[in-house]
Amino acid sequence: GAVVSQHPSRVICKSGTSVKIECRSLDFQATTMFWYRQFPKQSLMLMATSNEGSKATYEQGVEKDKFLINHASLTLSTLTVTSAHPEDSSFYICSAWNSRTDTQYFGPGTRLTVL
Amino acid sequence: GNSVTQMEGPVTLSEEAFLTINCTYTATGYPSLFWYVQYPGEGLQLLLKATKADDKGSNKGFEATYRKETTSFHLEKGSVQVSDSAVYFCALVGGRGSTLGRLYFGRGTQLTVWP
Repeated sequence: GAVVSQHPSRVICKSGTSVKIECRSLDFQATTMFWYRQFPKQSLMLMATSNEGSKATYEQGVEKDKFLINHASLTLSTLTVTSAHPEDSSFYICSAWNSRTDTQYFGPGTRLTVL
Repeated sequence: GNSVTQMEGPVTLSEEAFLTINCTYTATGYPSLFWYVQYPGEGLQLLLKATKADDKGSNKGFEATYRKETTSFHLEKGSVQVSDSAVYFCALVGGRGSTLGRLYFGRGTQLTVWP
């Protein structure tokens, strides 16, 4: 199956700092990538849709200025959590949509802990 | 609109037992349907999918049939193993009028298999 990588897999940072998470589609080009947040024992919550070469589309209630998304190429999208606070601690998962197979492939996730 | 209703867990079974996890959906148009599996601390892996009515998706002994008349996509396995313990998500890709590639998830069902 298709491979999507995420980096880093785990990050611990101090409150007030910014953290960047990378999502790469390794074996297909993805015009659309998605960023999710998952709380313990819950389903995935879609945060935003990342479109290559254009602005991301954010879901209602997600702060654009706090969660900056950049999709500069067909294989890379980044999520930057700015001025992180403890309540931003979560499991962040990205996915890339393969339009040829109409299937989303998920990265392994990034565990963010803000102290 | 698009939505997925999934059987609430947790589900606890003995090894070699029969598994059914119910999933029903509402959607505009003709969605593709998916089952994803999430092992602890990991991202989601595509388990199987079906793209049109009466299609049967299958993988690793799991099966699900796209039933348009009952708007269902129930997951089944004839004999579960301890290694099948995970969270299972039913999902659909939105049909006409939806964001291309966007997935709509059920809440997830935790499966635990005891030896």
